[in-house]
Amino acid sequence: GNSVTQMEGPVTLSEEAFLTINCTYTATGYPSLFWYVQYPGEGLQLLLKATKADDKGSNKGFEATYRKETTSFHLEKGSVQVSDSAVYFCALGSGGSYIPTFGRGTSLIVHP
Amino acid sequence: NAGVTQTPKFQVLKTGQSMTLQCAQDMNHNSMYWYRQDPGMGLRLIYYSASEGTTDKGEVPNGYNVSRLNKREFSLRLESAAPSQTSVYFCASSEKTSLQETQYFGPGTRLLVL
Repeated sequence: GNSVTQMEGPVTLSEEAFLTINCTYTATGYPSLFWYVQYPGEGLQLLLKATKADDKGSNKGFEATYRKETTSFHLEKGSVQVSDSAVYFCALGSGGSYIPTFGRGTSLIVHP
Repeated sequence: NAGVTQTPKFQVLKTGQSMTLQCAQDMNHNSMYWYRQDPGMGLRLIYYSASEGTTDKGEVPNGYNVSRLNKREFSLRLESAAPSQTSVYFCASSEKTSLQETQYFGPGTRLLVL
């Protein structure tokens, strides 16, 4: 079946540090890949997505590249801000089940 | 454009009580979903409705029922609440169920069952 594995958190960084949150997946066919972000007290919202291999999704300074050979979709940002503190979820949509599969989430804490 | 709205925001129940969580979307989406979020577990799908008039079980449907009242509204009912149902519940919608669809989430309902 489909599955998503994210690195355990929390990830704690100082402002302006480089961020990587790892995500690997197992899926049938050719999945679409997503990163969602959940700010404190709110619902999830889409951060970025990629629908085919080698695609790069980007938004608000965050980037992730769909790597089929390593079945990965790691989230990166060059310089994090305090306002980026949130929980980040990797997710996939795959043929056979059109319902997304979510990872467990990675909490990011950015200190001034 | 309110997006996805959920009521109530918070609820405390005693074991055995019943309640209905309400969800509505104003984006004319065909598909709607109910998830629960527990610490360390991520999001787990309870039920979904691919289109008006259809509902299907997700990963953790036991103890819940749903109703797709119309295209806009999708409610989740707990007939006899149990402490294991203490969680944060999110409703979501998407234009349709497909590989590439983005889901839009409501703000959540925080439920405590004593």
